[in-house]
Amino acid sequence: RKEVEQDPGPFNVPEGATVAFNCTYSNSASQSFFWYRQDCRKEPKLLMSVYSSGNEDGRFTAQLNRASQYISLLIRDSKLSDSATYLCVVQIQRTGGGNKLTFGTGTQLKVEL
Amino acid sequence: DGGITQSPKYLFRKEGQNVTLSCEQNLNHDAMYWYRQDPGQGLRLIYYSQIVNDFQKGDIAEGYSVSREKKESFPLTVTSAQKNPTAFYLCASSIRSSGAIYEQYFGPGTRLTVT
Repeated sequence: RKEVEQDPGPFNVPEGATVAFNCTYSNSASQSFFWYRQDCRKEPKLLMSVYSSGNEDGRFTAQLNRASQYISLLIRDSKLSDSATYLCVVQIQRTGGGNKLTFGTGTQLKVEL
Repeated sequence: DGGITQSPKYLFRKEGQNVTLSCEQNLNHDAMYWYRQDPGQGLRLIYYSQIVNDFQKGDIAEGYSVSREKKESFPLTVTSAQKNPTAFYLCASSIRSSGAIYEQYFGPGTRLTVT
């Protein structure tokens, strides 16, 4: 089983739609969680950290379910500019010190007119 | 402007040659990281450094080497021992690398093609 699993998509949605992505992780010792956005042939950019109580940033809402070991990202009122690949990222503490980020392979979103 | 720079953006090399990728940050971050990204795969950690003059192997360190002589700089050398060097290489940094949440920020990447 992969450490972090995401549906690769693509998710093709009309502009203005609400779309949700889920991501599951296998290591129950995972401490922190993030969503990154990656445009084609560009570097990943931090979209938001995911807090235990859930958090919202404008049209984006992230939630964490530790019992079921998954995180989610909800995008409301999708814009054409939201088209990108969304990477689920999980952090655990390394035994030798430092943290380890494990990246999912990403979910591709295409927002269409 | 604060940020992470990587150069060059595209790099072409012949098989058997070592090549060094540059990564510089002016964010005053202690920790720096190198990843590679291949199509259909998540980012994989090559090496990381928590502090100057110290670095540790990541998950796929074979065929790579690094140095951390300055806080701002963390160059990666891809040696001829690396079996499949063609990839998109990404450098990242974070304030620290342990404890509470410390997000990582990425440079623009270097696309290395070895033929």
